[in-house]
Amino acid sequence: EVQLVESGGGVVQPGGSLRLSCAASGFTFDDYGMHWVRQAPGKGLEWVSLITGDGGITYYADSVKGRFIISRDNNKNSLYLQMNSLRTEDTAFYYCAKDNIVAAPAYDIGVGFWGQGTPVTVSS
Amino acid sequence: QSVLTQPPSASGTPGQRVTISCSGSSSNIRSNYVYWYQQLPGTAPKLLIYSNNQRPSGVPDRFSGSRSGTSASLAISGLRSEDEADYYCAAWDDSLTGYVFGAGTKVSVL
Repeated sequence: EVQLVESGGGVVQPGGSLRLSCAASGFTFDDYGMHWVRQAPGKGLEWVSLITGDGGITYYADSVKGRFIISRDNNKNSLYLQMNSLRTEDTAFYYCAKDNIVAAPAYDIGVGFWGQGTPVTVSS
Repeated sequence: QSVLTQPPSASGTPGQRVTISCSGSSSNIRSNYVYWYQQLPGTAPKLLIYSNNQRPSGVPDRFSGSRSGTSASLAISGLRSEDEADYYCAAWDDSLTGYVFGAGTKVSVL
């Protein structure tokens, strides 16, 4: 059974940092690209970042580029999101998510499975 | 403003067919496969349709997806009360080099 368990969320002041973690199980972790997706309170889904299975390529939404860093440790079946220079507009539920297809081709990238999420609140 | 455009709401009575549209562009829907997600209140999203029209195991065949040009649609036939949820379309965007979501459509069962 596929499982994604996020941790590391919490309350942080504007300008602060936070590191989210996601523990994966139930599938061959390094076969899949992994995403972070967030959802602000009462709002829709916003994609944040993607990292390929080998960790060699990363992509970011413009809203977090230069502030957030996605990484993974395939030996530990873990995904991370280092969030720096946090802003109030980064307040959201952050979901760890797995690509739907093994080594997905560019035309078929898509989230296939979601974790339960971890809340991040940026407030003074 | 979302890159993919969805109607904010849709509704129907039990047993009816409801269709949700998702309008994009040549850099996303025309070029790449469309995904659809269902988010029940207070829960994480769940994959409903992948690769334009494929259903994961466990998703009822009442749900179907299609794509034509720069638009896609999700149809729910035989609407049931448990279908009340938010529905999102998504696709990879080659110009933005990112995954883009629609703003979501809230489906109500009258």
